[in-house]
Amino acid sequence: EAQVTQNPRYLITVTGKKLTVTCSQNMNHEYMSWYRQDPGLGLRQIYYSMNVEVTDKGDVPEGYKVSRKEKRNFPLILESPSPNQTSLYFCASRAGTGGNEQYFGPGTRLTVT
Amino acid sequence: AQSVTQLGSHVSVSEGALVLLRCNYSSSVPPYLFWYVQYPNQGLQLLLKYTSAATLVKGINGFEAEFKKSETSFHLTKPSAHMSDAAEYFCAVSHSGGYQKVTFGIGTKLQVIP
Repeated sequence: EAQVTQNPRYLITVTGKKLTVTCSQNMNHEYMSWYRQDPGLGLRQIYYSMNVEVTDKGDVPEGYKVSRKEKRNFPLILESPSPNQTSLYFCASRAGTGGNEQYFGPGTRLTVT
Repeated sequence: AQSVTQLGSHVSVSEGALVLLRCNYSSSVPPYLFWYVQYPNQGLQLLLKYTSAATLVKGINGFEAEFKKSETSFHLTKPSAHMSDAAEYFCAVSHSGGYQKVTFGIGTKLQVIP
């Protein structure tokens, strides 16, 4: 089954404690992306990757890091989480061009206290 | 530069009534346009997309949208709402240039009243 998986689905942590949210896709997609969803703001792109070892900032990259060492995996790293990073996070992947649909993971709800 | 405006963050309709969710876009190049749906506690899934073929696009679950270049609109409609249509709907725009960034609207929550 074609899918994007994210782990964990729910995470409560404290300010400053490093965490990683994993994302994996089994569709051999080149393009992967991380979004955060906040009420009234829709989805905002954090980082994206066009292929292995090719990543770039989206609209709200501050406080986040990513890596793309393998085509299927695109982890999101919060080196020192802060309460303003409390949000719902989605990973997505897409084949090739902008005209193709994105496939979304189930989401990770992060709470930073 | 590109942007999406969804008019109405909350829309309520009666079961069996017409659903109309509005989306206007701004793009300096010919756009690709998408509607995604998000059911509670789930990720987004594609409803339909426009990629410069037919201007009237049919999607899943009886939804359709019409691309109107002169109005820069891509409104989503369904003739008769079902209770199962209650969800949040996102309009998104992309294009073929650059890294093909996708920009999402803020979303419209659809409530269906029995």
